[in-house]
Amino acid sequence: AQKITQTQPGMFVQEKEAVTLDCTYDTSDQSYGLFWYKQPSSGEMIFLIYQGSYDEQNATEGRYSLNFQKARKSANLVISASQLGDSAMYFCAMGAGGGYQKVTFGIGTKLQVIP
Amino acid sequence: NAGVTQTPKFRVLKTGQSMTLLCAQDMNHEYMYWYRQDPGMGLRLIHYSVGEGTTAKGEVPDGYNVSRLKKQNFLLGLESAAPSQTSVYFCASSPTSGDYNEQFFGPGTRLTVL
Repeated sequence: AQKITQTQPGMFVQEKEAVTLDCTYDTSDQSYGLFWYKQPSSGEMIFLIYQGSYDEQNATEGRYSLNFQKARKSANLVISASQLGDSAMYFCAMGAGGGYQKVTFGIGTKLQVIP
Repeated sequence: NAGVTQTPKFRVLKTGQSMTLLCAQDMNHEYMYWYRQDPGMGLRLIHYSVGEGTTAKGEVPDGYNVSRLKKQNFLLGLESAAPSQTSVYFCASSPTSGDYNEQFFGPGTRLTVL
């Protein structure tokens, strides 16, 4: 069984500062993928970044980077230079298993950027 | 290119009524999914499909049925709605190529069961 744990219900960050959103995972699969999605107050789900379990380098996408520590089973999202538009819910998710892309989501972290 | 669309956007049902949610994607994706989102619980997978004519149960399938008669459409049915099915429903699709590609989400359907 797969499990995603996000322990920060809410986070505050000052505009232009960096923030780290925590995510730990548990799976017995050797091959898996980790995702982060953003959900603004408007409700849509926006894909941010992906990390494969065999990727040796941390994934980066613009201001987003994924701090992947395989031994600790953590996949933290780092947002640099926070902007007011970054205020949203952030979900960590994991896809594992062969033959299909069954994805398990965490409960999310609500990030608020303060001007 | 519309991506993933969901119909309807909002719906109010009475207990015991039935309805079907429609998801359509125009990206020729093989995989499609139905999730429900409840406060404090993230997204939970209801059913998914890995191709036309195939469906499988996810984490919370009870009370729901699905069909994938055409590759581009994935229908979610509630035969006898219950208040516990009040939720926001998201459909998603993803391609099969590559490794764990991202899921593309629809805008969601807000369902209230009275």
